[in-house]
Amino acid sequence: DAGITQSPRHKVTETGTPVTLRCHQTENHRYMYWYRQDPGHGLRLIHYSYGVKDTDKGEVSDGYSVSRSKTEDFLLTLESATSSQTSVYFCAISGREEGSPLHFGNGTRLTVT
Amino acid sequence: AQTVTQSQPEMSVQEAETVTLSCTYDTSESDYYLFWYKQPPSRQMILVIRQEAYKQQNATENRFSVNFQKAAKSFSLKISDSQLGDAAMYFCAYLCTSGTYKYIFGTGTRLKVLA
Repeated sequence: DAGITQSPRHKVTETGTPVTLRCHQTENHRYMYWYRQDPGHGLRLIHYSYGVKDTDKGEVSDGYSVSRSKTEDFLLTLESATSSQTSVYFCAISGREEGSPLHFGNGTRLTVT
Repeated sequence: AQTVTQSQPEMSVQEAETVTLSCTYDTSESDYYLFWYKQPPSRQMILVIRQEAYKQQNATENRFSVNFQKAAKSFSLKISDSQLGDAAMYFCAYLCTSGTYKYIFGTGTRLKVLA
């Protein structure tokens, strides 16, 4: 299995507080992704990264920012959490070969009260 | 923009029977990749099968096979001899490697397997 770790696994936070989710990989892969999963919506891309300091927006990027200062770490920040950001968040990495499948972390369940 | 549509929110199948999950996608590209993922209650995302668009041969993995119709932009998943462990959410995904390297997912199909 691809070495990809998300932390924390679960988090409960209050509206208006900042939250950072961490994704760590040991595969030295170039591409990293953050998705959110909600019932009826499947997985929606928030942001992705194609290298250190190289990131781009996905379809649901409003209210989220990301940073990638090292190949192995990709951070997702909710600057001021809202109840609509209650979700399960997945980090994923793509292999080196073109067309490789995504390998996912175990997800973070975030609840904003 | 590319889109992926899974029109069956939920499906049921009797144990040992065969079921087909549908997936359609919209793209103007000719070179791309398609995937099916399984998500059991554990929440883990598991790759089921991968298809390269330039290959006409349908991909197979044991009891799982696809019916890839490029002209129709259809990519259905067939599960043969269904087992209780096949019960899960199934997601179809698309990747185009020209331009942005984004994986686009459908909304998923929940498969129930009846004993």
